[in-house]
Amino acid sequence: SQQGEEDPQALSIQEGENATMNCSYKTSINNLQWYRQNSGRGLVHLILIRSNEREKHSGRLRVTLDTSKKSSSLLITASRAADTASYFCATDDGNDMRFGAGTRLTVKP
Amino acid sequence: EAQVTQNPRYLITVTGKKLTVTCSQNMNHEYMSWYRQDPGLGLRQIYYSMNVEATDKGDVPEGYKVSRKEKRNFPLILESPSPNQTSLYFCATQSSVGTEAFFGQGTRLTVV
Repeated sequence: SQQGEEDPQALSIQEGENATMNCSYKTSINNLQWYRQNSGRGLVHLILIRSNEREKHSGRLRVTLDTSKKSSSLLITASRAADTASYFCATDDGNDMRFGAGTRLTVKP
Repeated sequence: EAQVTQNPRYLITVTGKKLTVTCSQNMNHEYMSWYRQDPGLGLRQIYYSMNVEATDKGDVPEGYKVSRKEKRNFPLILESPSPNQTSLYFCATQSSVGTEAFFGQGTRLTVV
């Protein structure tokens, strides 16, 4: 079964705007990661946040984690057309890693 | 260059004809896994392997087999493929679970 659920399923914004995607999960986790996938290609790792961390930054990416609510958010600031892709959260409990269904982000030029 | 290589990239086969999708990594990673991706369902884990000769079922193992006889290779075997196994398959490797995963380019399988 899916562990993470992303919200929204699809998001369309203008270039320069910020994009926020959310991920909720069901059971306790060790780590949460975000990945990006360009149409039909392999996933690429964006950022990892551990269960004892609350916020992490990487370039234009900001990830937050709220373990009490079992949720995470990914913020992409000043979006570009090249950010158009699907974004997935993935959680692990130390044994295996499970992905959500993803958010499809479209950034219009 | 760090690589995860899957073969073939595309495959059309008939129901019941055994096939193997290969996955090879050159990063000396312990942890390898197979996922299938279907529209609206995201990635679902089929099998994973924490080390050589250690494999475990993921969420959707039915109809699949794997083996891990050496660290670098983790083939996915479909003994008797059926149309519901038509999907996009990804192999992934990690130094250990909970670290960054590196994905292969994917294998698009169609079973008719």
